[in-house]
Amino acid sequence: GQQVMQIPQYQHVQEGEDFTTYCNSSTTLSNIQWYKQRPGGHPVFLIQLVKSGEVKKQKRLTFQFGEAKKNSSLHITATQTTDVGTYFCAGPISSGSARQLTFGSGTQLTVLP
Amino acid sequence: DGGITQSPKYLFRKEGQNVTLSCEQNLNHDAMYWYRQDPGQGLRLIYYSQIVNDFQKGDIAEGYSVSREKKESFPLTVTSAQKNPTAFYLCASSTGDRGPSYNSPLHFGNGTRLTVT
Repeated sequence: GQQVMQIPQYQHVQEGEDFTTYCNSSTTLSNIQWYKQRPGGHPVFLIQLVKSGEVKKQKRLTFQFGEAKKNSSLHITATQTTDVGTYFCAGPISSGSARQLTFGSGTQLTVLP
Repeated sequence: DGGITQSPKYLFRKEGQNVTLSCEQNLNHDAMYWYRQDPGQGLRLIYYSQIVNDFQKGDIAEGYSVSREKKESFPLTVTSAQKNPTAFYLCASSTGDRGPSYNSPLHFGNGTRLTVT
């Protein structure tokens, strides 16, 4: 079936290093969303990308949507300990008459001080 | 403050018992969702409701049931038919889709961690 795949599953970085997580869909997506879940917490919406080739920035976070709208990435520059958590991408997959968000398996980021 | 409230935070049940997880929102959102989260598997959709008195099965609905009698409430019952009920359950809501290219962001509750022994 239609899936949203995310890599890597785990990433350990030294504080100050950069981090990137990648998301790939088996089908073209109308949009993609990114969420962050802190340890012990719940997912929190970060951003949505809609346009082909779109790039959006939030401080040290850069989000990209591929030209074919089948892949996306989240890049964090100079990680800090506050960046620790699991980052999920989510894309709308059609199911019957509705489009529902399908989540990737997430990338768990550990930042070592 | 507007938000989504899930209760309880931790729940323990014996195998063979049904259990109902509560989810209430005061965001005036039309759509509500239940997701299940297992380690390393991301979030999987159990049920969703786009409007009162209507709901649809998600990817893993077997062994679960829901109701949507009020806009604010979307309780989830984990039945004894669910083979592996121990998991972290997340309720979410959204304003509903705005068009073919846009999905309204999900607002999540704090979750209920269910342990069945």
